Amino acid sequence: AQSVSQHNHHVILSEAASLELGCNYSYGGTVNLFWYVQYPGQHLQLLLKYFSGDPLVKGIKGFEAEFIKSKFSFNLRKPSVQWSDTAEYFCAVSPNTDKLIFGTGTRLQVFP
Amino acid sequence: SAVISQKPSRDICQRGTSLTIQCQVDSQVTMMFWYRQQPGQSLTLIATANQGSEATYESGFVIDKFPISRPNLTFSTLTVSNMSPEDSSIYLCSAGTGLGNGYTFGSGTRLTVV
Repeated sequence: AQSVSQHNHHVILSEAASLELGCNYSYGGTVNLFWYVQYPGQHLQLLLKYFSGDPLVKGIKGFEAEFIKSKFSFNLRKPSVQWSDTAEYFCAVSPNTDKLIFGTGTRLQVFP
Repeated sequence: SAVISQKPSRDICQRGTSLTIQCQVDSQVTMMFWYRQQPGQSLTLIATANQGSEATYESGFVIDKFPISRPNLTFSTLTVSNMSPEDSSIYLCSAGTGLGNGYTFGSGTRLTVV
């Protein structure tokens, strides 16, 4: 079945550690890819998006993601996390439509 | 990007009743969507709210249970009908002018059915 998978459900890191959150999708053809973040008590916000071109995309707050077509992946990275990055992170795919299909989310906890 | 106001922010309802959730956008948008986020799970798309016509529902969601209105380019409502405890969830409105700009999300309506 077509889906978006985030294998890390809960990640715990210390400040300054590096972060990589996995996202894989099973849709064929052209896809547009997104990462959204939901800070505690706040609404979902767009971190970054990929439509075409350079597969390494940079977003807000020092986040970046790499699209690897052969692996159907769009992993999110940050070289050094901060306590304020504590949030839930959602990968989303738009399989050649206007709709967004979300992954299950990854809860990130960063400890000082 | 658009700013979305969603009301109510939370409610506790009796089973068998209905609740209408409102979504107001501060600018005209092309696309409006309704999502459900059940406890511990991801966002599931319920339907696309189409301006001036019937909503487009995703598999597993039907108009009789989740009637949606969108009378203009800035406003939509979602009704959760004949509620049961299984409908307890967070319901989210999303809107935007197209994927290229990303979609904005409301703060959600936390519904508890008792």
